[in-house]
Amino acid sequence: AQSVTQLDSHVSVSEGTPVLLRCNYSSSYSPSLFWYVQHPNKGLQLLLKYTSAATLVKGINGFEAEFKKSETSFHLTKPSAHMSDAAEYFCVVSESSGTYKYIFGTGTRLKVLA
Amino acid sequence: ETGVTQSPTHLIKTRGQQVTLRCSSQSGHNTVSWYQQALGQGPQFIFQYYREEENGRGNFPPRFSGLQFPNYSSELNVNALELDDSALYLCASSAPTGNGNYEQYFGPGTRLTVT
Repeated sequence: AQSVTQLDSHVSVSEGTPVLLRCNYSSSYSPSLFWYVQHPNKGLQLLLKYTSAATLVKGINGFEAEFKKSETSFHLTKPSAHMSDAAEYFCVVSESSGTYKYIFGTGTRLKVLA
Repeated sequence: ETGVTQSPTHLIKTRGQQVTLRCSSQSGHNTVSWYQQALGQGPQFIFQYYREEENGRGNFPPRFSGLQFPNYSSELNVNALELDDSALYLCASSAPTGNGNYEQYFGPGTRLTVT
């Protein structure tokens, strides 16, 4: 069965410093992986997705993630945090057959300090 | 904006009542999935409908049921509401992308509060 583990429930960074949100996955097949962001009282916005093409995936708002099969990781990074990045971030693996349902991690709340 | 809409935005119900939540899919999408997001948690898969048939179900009791209509809009019905049903309910529509992966597009959600 597929699953994702987000290693940090809360991350705090200063504005202008790098962001690292960690995600490990478990999958029997070549997975499809996603990062979503959720701002307070808002829906889910897709940041980026990996679907077995390039292992370094670039997303919106300067975010990127690297798929590392040997480490079963898909960490999200951004070189320089902005105040508007403060939100909840979810790592997601998609089931590889059947419903292709999304399996969400428990989320990482990113706090950006001025 | 994803083109997926949900109604109502917010809803307050009493324990034991029934509720219907609605979702309008993105144009051309024939699959809709529903998720429950309890406070402080990640969304959990409830079920999925494909071309008006249930196509898979998560670990939710039968009092959670759904419908998909010929225009691919959808309803989530919850009977005998319990306090733990208080959550954000998200629907997501999708369509084949040709490589076997179905990217899902989420609506803004319906916030249900059960008192």
